[in-house]
Amino acid sequence: KAGVTQTPRYLIKTRGQQVTLSCSPISGHRSVSWYQQTPGQGLQFLFEYFSETQRNKGNFPGRFSGRQFSNSRSEMNVSTLELGDSALYLCASSLTGEGRPQHFGDGTRLSIL
Amino acid sequence: AQSVSQHNHHVILSEAASLELGCNYSYGGTVNLFWYVQYPGQHLQLLLKYFSGDPLVKGIKGFEAEFIKSKFSFNLRKPSVQWSDTAEYFCAVRESDTGRRALTFGSGTRLQVQP
Repeated sequence: KAGVTQTPRYLIKTRGQQVTLSCSPISGHRSVSWYQQTPGQGLQFLFEYFSETQRNKGNFPGRFSGRQFSNSRSEMNVSTLELGDSALYLCASSLTGEGRPQHFGDGTRLSIL
Repeated sequence: AQSVSQHNHHVILSEAASLELGCNYSYGGTVNLFWYVQYPGQHLQLLLKYFSGDPLVKGIKGFEAEFIKSKFSFNLRKPSVQWSDTAEYFCAVRESDTGRRALTFGSGTRLQVQP
């Protein structure tokens, strides 16, 4: 069974640009969550989508947005990039139901110059 | 807001030593608890989870963890570590009674096992 697939793996952008990251969940998983991982702040929750609806949002500015498509694939967009947005962005998918764990992808490493 | 504390940031052990990594959380309601491991260059992998029942849970690769509700703790243990256990370990908590699926992670513990 294929795992969570994130594309691209690496991305280099400059300040002020915008970026879109993609995530394909494990087949059958309808819940997709996004996290930001940095050395200073660790793993922080960005948002969660289920059935094309955002269910929860973390404490990030409005420049961070996302969406989910009918096939459960998800995209995350960051506009007006800042140096501090340099991070590893992780996508996780899960089945719904009590105790279902999240399964993580390899991440997209975003570097802002 | 919910917080998760991992007290040991960097642990160095010799092979065959016993391991215990601490994890405490702040949420007072019902929780699901997880330990994830990140081997060098690899993605986060689930080691074990607790959501109900026996508070002592066993995971992969000989790891186990004990949920002590009164102490808001979920410590990870392994009786005898191997060099291949060198990795970063993350404790994570989900507020299961809120319907939120978001995980709150601890800051991680880097384990280095010396041969």
